[in-house]
Amino acid sequence: SQTIHQWPATLVQPVGSPLSLECTVEGTSNPNLYWYRQAAGRGLQLLFYSVGIGQISSEVPQNLSASRPQDRQFILSSKKLLLSDSGFYLCAWSMTADTQYFGPGTRLTVL
Amino acid sequence: KQEVTQIPAALSVPEGENLVLNCSFTDSAIYNLQWFRQDPGKGLTSLLLIQSSQREQTSGRLNASLDKSSGRSTLYIAASQPGDSATYLCAVRATGAGSYQLTFGKGTKLSVIP
Repeated sequence: SQTIHQWPATLVQPVGSPLSLECTVEGTSNPNLYWYRQAAGRGLQLLFYSVGIGQISSEVPQNLSASRPQDRQFILSSKKLLLSDSGFYLCAWSMTADTQYFGPGTRLTVL
Repeated sequence: KQEVTQIPAALSVPEGENLVLNCSFTDSAIYNLQWFRQDPGKGLTSLLLIQSSQREQTSGRLNASLDKSSGRSTLYIAASQPGDSATYLCAVRATGAGSYQLTFGKGTKLSVIP
């Protein structure tokens, strides 16, 4: 069966510090991968998606970037965090245009 | 631009009641609609997915309906239990090749009181 992992589970970082969140999927090959952010009082917002290694599409302009160095690994990064980057970051995968399966999430607090 | 609205934002019901959660979307050109459950501090769990050509889907005590022309979906929960307490999210996927984005509503927070 397929499993999706995210780490760390929680993170507290100062403004201006770098960020690296990791997501890995087990039990499948060549999945579509997604990064979402859920901010307080707002719905989930798609940040990036990837249909293959090295293929990244950005949905919104922001202070973040994403990379897919391996088939089942998706990384969300920032060079300098802003207060507005605080939120709950969710990684998801899918094999088709249908159901997306979500990871447990990372709670990021920028102080 | 697709917008998804969920009403009510919060709902509290006594155990055993049947209840309906509502979702509306502004652009009826959707590929499918999905209902998710989110427990506090956790990821999302997919409950039901309805393709644009379908009218409803059922899983156990859950029934989701879709009226694409009017831009509405409902999630019906029968005989509610305290374990159903969670936030329920509705999401739609647009049509079109390579359309991967899900547009989410803000959710309905459900509390089932024992």
